[in-house]
Amino acid sequence: GAVVSQHPSWVICKSGTSVKIECRSLDFQATTMFWYRQFPKQSLMLMATSNEGSKATYEQGVEKDKFLINHASLTLSTLTVTSAHPEDSSFYICSARIDGTLNTGELFFGEGSRLTVL
Amino acid sequence: RKEVEQDPGPFNVPEGATVAFNCTYSNSASQSFFWYRQDCRKEPKLLMSVYSSGNEDGRFTAQLNRASQYISLLIRDSKLSDSATYLCVVTANTGGFKTIFGAGTRLFVKA
Repeated sequence: GAVVSQHPSWVICKSGTSVKIECRSLDFQATTMFWYRQFPKQSLMLMATSNEGSKATYEQGVEKDKFLINHASLTLSTLTVTSAHPEDSSFYICSARIDGTLNTGELFFGEGSRLTVL
Repeated sequence: RKEVEQDPGPFNVPEGATVAFNCTYSNSASQSFFWYRQDCRKEPKLLMSVYSSGNEDGRFTAQLNRASQYISLLIRDSKLSDSATYLCVVTANTGGFKTIFGAGTRLFVKA
């Protein structure tokens, strides 16, 4: 099956620093990837849709200058949490869908990245 | 009204029990339907796709009723390892694929 790799799995940083999270589709191309945030005991919240070759589409209430998304290639999207604060501590998950005729609508998820801001 | 609504949880059941989860969706143009399972502090993983004819995978049976815009998941002979959150996921292709997640239903299977 399709594999999405997310890195790092865990990150602890000081308040005010920036953190970059990578999402890679290992065995398929993904023009579109998605970034989610999940707080404890809550559902996934879509933050933004990452589009290769164009700007990301952010959901309402998500600050684009705070959460920078770069979809550098058909297999890599990055999320940078800039000037992180303790309230940014969360579980960040990416997902991707296979491009083209193999697209069944199924989403393949990365393993998630747990960010803790001190 | 939420686009995808699921049974509120949590469900607490003994081992061996049969448990059913329900999900309704509001967009009649929805095309693809899935049940995902998410364990604590882990990413969601596909449990099964849901087809109009209904489909079964071992102890799991999924049903789709397009007329009522309703999806169900039945788990028979529950195991301790079935304890997780089950997410109903609906995708529509309306000017681009849009995937909507339900809030999830937590299941606890007890010995």
